[in-house]
Amino acid sequence: GIQVEQSPPDLILQEGANSTLRCNFSDSVNNLQWFHQNPWGQLINLFYIPSGTKQNGRLSATTVATERYSLLYISSSQTTDSGVYFCAVGVTSYDKVIFGPGTSLSVIP
Amino acid sequence: NAGVTQTPKFRILKIGQSMTLQCAQDMNHNYMYWYRQDPGMGLKLIYYSVGAGITDKGEVPNGYNVSRSTTEDFPLRLELAAPSQTSVYFCASSPLGGKGQPQHFGDGTRLSIL
Repeated sequence: GIQVEQSPPDLILQEGANSTLRCNFSDSVNNLQWFHQNPWGQLINLFYIPSGTKQNGRLSATTVATERYSLLYISSSQTTDSGVYFCAVGVTSYDKVIFGPGTSLSVIP
Repeated sequence: NAGVTQTPKFRILKIGQSMTLQCAQDMNHNYMYWYRQDPGMGLKLIYYSVGAGITDKGEVPNGYNVSRSTTEDFPLRLELAAPSQTSVYFCASSPLGGKGQPQHFGDGTRLSIL
């Protein structure tokens, strides 16, 4: 089956710093989503981005489907950005959506 | 709209007991999913459904069963609870599944098997 990798596994940032999270996938996908899991365990959909670039406030994402990777950019990080960031891919010809292992982000004041 | 509703939020079971985790969505989504998340880990797909009467296995289906008799409901059944099934269970729905729409998640059910 498809393999989804995320890097780095853990990240500690000073408040105000910028960061880039990466998601690599091993096969063609129909879609790609980025989620934030907050410290209370809730999963919040950040982007649905099968290709191209999207921006939402301090967050932006870019997916290069032909090269099988996606990037999530966080600018001017805040303590509320802490949590785990997951990418999830929809597999071509199937209806499964598979999650990567996540990047755990801690933003310290 | 309530979105995706999971019940119960917490449950403790004894080894060998059975239970059903409930999931309901009011968005008329065709696609529904069950995931489990072990402590410090990512989400693993247990089962998914592309519509009423149609279900299929995900990555980790052993020890679980599902049914989809209506568009709204997608219950997950544990027949013989084992300690390895201690986890947080998430239900999700999507209008078009992996073919191009975002998923909506419930708040999870925290299950402990003792």
